[in-house]
Amino acid sequence: GESVGLHLPTLSVQEGDNSIINCAYSNSASDYFIWYKQESGKGPQFIIDIRSNMDKRQGQRVTVLLNKTVKHLSLQIAATQPGDSAVYFCAEILSNAGGTSYGKLTFGQGTILTVHP
Amino acid sequence: GAGVSQTPSNKVTEKGKYVELRCDPISGHTALYWYRQSLGQGPEFLIYFQGTGAADDSGLPNDRFFAVRPEGSVSTLKIQRTERGDSAVYLCASSLLGRVGTGELFFGEGSRLTVL
Repeated sequence: GESVGLHLPTLSVQEGDNSIINCAYSNSASDYFIWYKQESGKGPQFIIDIRSNMDKRQGQRVTVLLNKTVKHLSLQIAATQPGDSAVYFCAEILSNAGGTSYGKLTFGQGTILTVHP
Repeated sequence: GAGVSQTPSNKVTEKGKYVELRCDPISGHTALYWYRQSLGQGPEFLIYFQGTGAADDSGLPNDRFFAVRPEGSVSTLKIQRTERGDSAVYLCASSLLGRVGTGELFFGEGSRLTVL
């Protein structure tokens, strides 16, 4: 079936570097994407989201880029800190006919980000 | 507390036993979701409640799994005749409305189920 997947299962960076986490999705009809951060023993925590009618969205130290042509999503973290170490998941939603997205997310497998001090 | 609360945090049971997992969503959140996360995998959708009713239960793997939300707040996920393959972290999430696009899902810390 269609699913969301990640190119790199692990990523190690030095503190202060910028990090880029990638995600490939296969359902071209998906119209809403979310990045989550999950620390060990905790539930996923919302980072940033983007709708399919956008190609870039910025938050605090994070930027999400969406390339619908190649069905690719990326999360950029600026000035990565040790506290950013976690597993990062991208997730997609397919809106219903009314254009409403409820929380039926399809998650990818995750990328482990390790930040070295 | 202010977040989604799940109990128990850990549950060890024997194959064939019955298990209940509880979720207490954020106060006022009408939408509640259950997900299951196996080791090294992303969460998988199980069921979505809007108020008291299950609006989408398409992710429940079989009829051994059942969930209720009788008063539109607390929800219980029930697993009958547990199997070793049911071992996973069961995550609950809630959102203010059903429309995730206007905000986000808030996840609990999960209930880790181990079936021996």
